[in-house]
Amino acid sequence: IAGITQAPTSQILAAGRRMTLRCTQDMRHNAMYWYRQDLGLGLRLIHYSNTAGTTGKGEVPDGYSVSRANTDDFPLTLASAVPSQTSVYFCASSAAGGQGGYNEQFFGPGTRLTVL
Amino acid sequence: RKEVEQDPGPFNVPEGATVAFNCTYSNSASQSFFWYRQDCRKEPKLLMSVYSSGNEDGRFTAQLNRASQYISLLIRDSKLSDSATYLCVVVTGNQFYFGTGTSLTVIP
Repeated sequence: IAGITQAPTSQILAAGRRMTLRCTQDMRHNAMYWYRQDLGLGLRLIHYSNTAGTTGKGEVPDGYSVSRANTDDFPLTLASAVPSQTSVYFCASSAAGGQGGYNEQFFGPGTRLTVL
Repeated sequence: RKEVEQDPGPFNVPEGATVAFNCTYSNSASQSFFWYRQDCRKEPKLLMSVYSSGNEDGRFTAQLNRASQYISLLIRDSKLSDSATYLCVVVTGNQFYFGTGTSLTVIP
C-alpha cells in the first residue's frame, strides 16, 4: 500500500449496532486524525493521535472512540450507531515538522456511512 | 469565533477567468497554512502550502497576510478541470483547522 487506506468504502448500518472504521498508513507519520464531513459543515475533527499510544478528543468526539496501538493503524469505533452519525469519514495523517509544528495532512479515500 | 472563516461561494466563472478566494483566521499564533482541493465525493488533496513571502505554482498563487490574518488563493486562466471545492487550512500548535470550503465551477 502507498499512502492511507480506509475500510470499508461504504457501509449501511442499523442504529444501535457497533461499527469499526479502519485506517492504515504506510508513511510512518507520527500523527493521525479522524474527521467527519457533512454538507455545509466542512471537516470536523473527531479524534486525533499525535503518536502511537496517545489519543486526544477533537471537536465532535461524543459517540466515537479510537485507539493507537502502533504507528500505522488508527481505528475509529462507533459503540452504538445513531442516525446522526451518518456522514463521510476521512482518516488523515501528517508528519511532525520543525519547531513543534506539523507538515501537511494526507487523507484516505473516505468511508461513507449510513445509519438507519 | 471560528478559527477559520471561508466564503462558501459558489463561484461560477468562465474559462480563462481569474478568480481569488480568501480565508481569515482568528489566532495570530497560527504557524502553518495550506490550500487543499476536494473533488466531489473524493478526499481533500494538498494543492499548495502558503508561505509568508507568497508562492506560485503555475497558474496558482498563494499569499499570507499575517498582519490582517488572512490567506488567499489566486487562480489565473481558469480551466474546466479547476472545478472543485477549495479548502483553506490553518495550523495552530498541533491542531489543523479547515475552512468549510469554497465551491468553484468553471463554465465553458
